[in-house]
Formats: sequence, structure tokens, C-alpha cells
Amino acid sequence: SQELEQSPQSLIVQEGKNLTINCTSSKTLYGLYWYKQKYGEGLIFLMMLQKGGEEKSHEKITAKLDEKKQQSSLHITASQPSHAGIYLCGARERNGGSQGNLIFGKGTKLSVKP
Amino acid sequence: EAGVTQSPTHLIKTRGQQATLRCSPISGHTSVYWYQQALGLGLQFLLWYDEGEERNRGNFPPRFSGRQFPNYSSELNVNALELEDSALYLCASLGGGYGYTFGSGTRLTVV
Repeated sequence: SQELEQSPQSLIVQEGKNLTINCTSSKTLYGLYWYKQKYGEGLIFLMMLQKGGEEKSHEKITAKLDEKKQQSSLHITASQPSHAGIYLCGARERNGGSQGNLIFGKGTKLSVKP
Repeated sequence: EAGVTQSPTHLIKTRGQQATLRCSPISGHTSVYWYQQALGLGLQFLLWYDEGEERNRGNFPPRFSGRQFPNYSSELNVNALELEDSALYLCASLGGGYGYTFGSGTRLTVV
């Protein structure tokens, strides 16, 4: 079965600093999703990447998909306390087709110090 | 447009009892996905329903079951509750080109 490994597991940065979170898949990626979660709450959709080399940005968050490396990265520029939370990457299991369920990495806990 | 709604928000049950959790997808979404998020274990896939049928199941025992109704809402049932079933249960629906939309979850506590 497919597994997603996220690194680092946790990250503490000073406000204003840049940071990168990585997500590596054990198998070929068929779509990669990034979500943010506040502790004990639901997931907030950030971005969806579907093609190798694809890069998307929203406000200060940029995500890239390297299909050959079976890897995605999430980069936050000039971090703010509002960026704090748990970041999760998810990928669709191949056997489910375009509507298949997602599997997730264990998440990266981000803390931003003012 | 209303998002994915889950009820109840919190549920406290005694070991051995049954728990029923409910999920209403976004209007027009036919697929519903259930996940368990237990402390330290990450988000684990439980069940996927589409058009009333179970399409896929995660690595959970048969006492975790569910169904999807004609209006696409869904119910997750957990029988013979164990202490380790205590977790946040999240439901998601798919559609509209915005990926999978998650509800706020049901916090189940088994005592």
C-alpha cells in the first residue's frame, strides 16, 4: 500500500522566516493535496497539484509537485502566527480512480514564534 | 453553500456500547469519506461511500461499519466500543474541483 512520509515532523520558526515542508510518496503520485488543520478541528483545503512540475501559490504559500521524485514541497514565505497549525499532505490511492479516497502523511506541526 | 456537516460534535460512550456518527456532504456531492484521527496515529482512512455503495475500506475491524442514504448523507457505526476508539472522526465529500472538503469532525470519547 502507498505511504506518505512528511518531514520535518515538527517545526518552530521565528515570525517572518521562510520554511519548507516535504512530502514523499512510496509510490507514483496521482494528485497531491495539501491541507492545514488547527488542533482538534477539521481540515482546511490549501492546494491540489495534479501534474508533474506543477506549482501553485496562494498568498504566501507555494506548493510544487515533482512527479519523478514522487515528492511535493510546501513553502511558506515570511511566516506569520496565523500560519501555525498542522500541515497534512494527502494522495489518492491508485485503485480508487479519480474519486478514490485519500491517504495522508502523519503531518507537520508548525509553530510560529512572534 | 453549506459545507460538510457532522453531528454530534462530541460524543461520550462507555466501553462496549455502540456509537453512531452522522455526516451530510455538500449538496451535489455523491462521495463521502470517513477518517479516524487518533492521538499519535495520524489521519487513517476508514470508509468510502459513493452512490449508496461502499467503494473502499481501510484497515479497520468489521465493527466499524456505515451506510450512505439516498440523499447521500452517511452514517458511521462503531460497535462494541473499545477505549482505543477514542478519536476525532472526520467526514469528507468530493466535488466541484476543490478537492475533498472536510467537516469539523465528531470527537468520540470512550470511557
